[in-house]
Amino acid sequence: AQSVAQPEDQVNVAEGNPLTVKCTYSVSGNPYLFWYVQYPNRGLQFLLKYITGDNLVKGSYGFEAEFNKSQTSFHLKKPSALVSDSALYFCAVRRSNDYKLSFGAGTTVTVRA
Amino acid sequence: DAMVIQNPRYQVTQFGKPVTLSCSQTLNHNVMYWYQQKSSQAPKLLFHYYDKDFNNEADTPDNFQSRRPNTSFCFLDIRSPGLGDAAMYLCATSRVTSEGIQYFGAGTRLSVL
Repeated sequence: AQSVAQPEDQVNVAEGNPLTVKCTYSVSGNPYLFWYVQYPNRGLQFLLKYITGDNLVKGSYGFEAEFNKSQTSFHLKKPSALVSDSALYFCAVRRSNDYKLSFGAGTTVTVRA
Repeated sequence: DAMVIQNPRYQVTQFGKPVTLSCSQTLNHNVMYWYQQKSSQAPKLLFHYYDKDFNNEADTPDNFQSRRPNTSFCFLDIRSPGLGDAAMYLCATSRVTSEGIQYFGAGTRLSVL
């Protein structure tokens, strides 16, 4: 079985401040981890992934995420948040030998001007 | 340019009246997925096609069916929509590779009157 936990339903930050969205996972074997963003009335948009290699992965729109195997975490970060980053963020995991994703419940990010 | 296209973006149907949602892709991916998403919750996988092989999730109601006439197109048929079927329906595609990133369409928001 595989699962993802996003412990915060909402994250509120001021524009220009660092943004962190937390994610922990549970999966047998090596995890394949993903972050997606969803704007209102739109589909999910791929941000970044961790498959193997460097624990710090960089993605679209200035986002990055750090894979921490000992803590089974994959937190999403942005050094300086923008109002336009306000959206719903999903963390997802799959096993290396599968292609179906398990999504977390999502975290709503609000960046205030 | 949109690579996974869903039509229509908004669909209104009547209780019990069959409805078909459409998804097309220009990515030539061999896997196509249908998800149901309710009010900012995590997307819930209904079923997927691996090439022509149909894979139904165990908890997907019989009311939901799918067709994939060719690589590019996939349809979601709801035989007798109930009020509880009002949701956003998301189509996604992926290639079965070591990365296997899923690419999503913009979604179809279904209303049931």
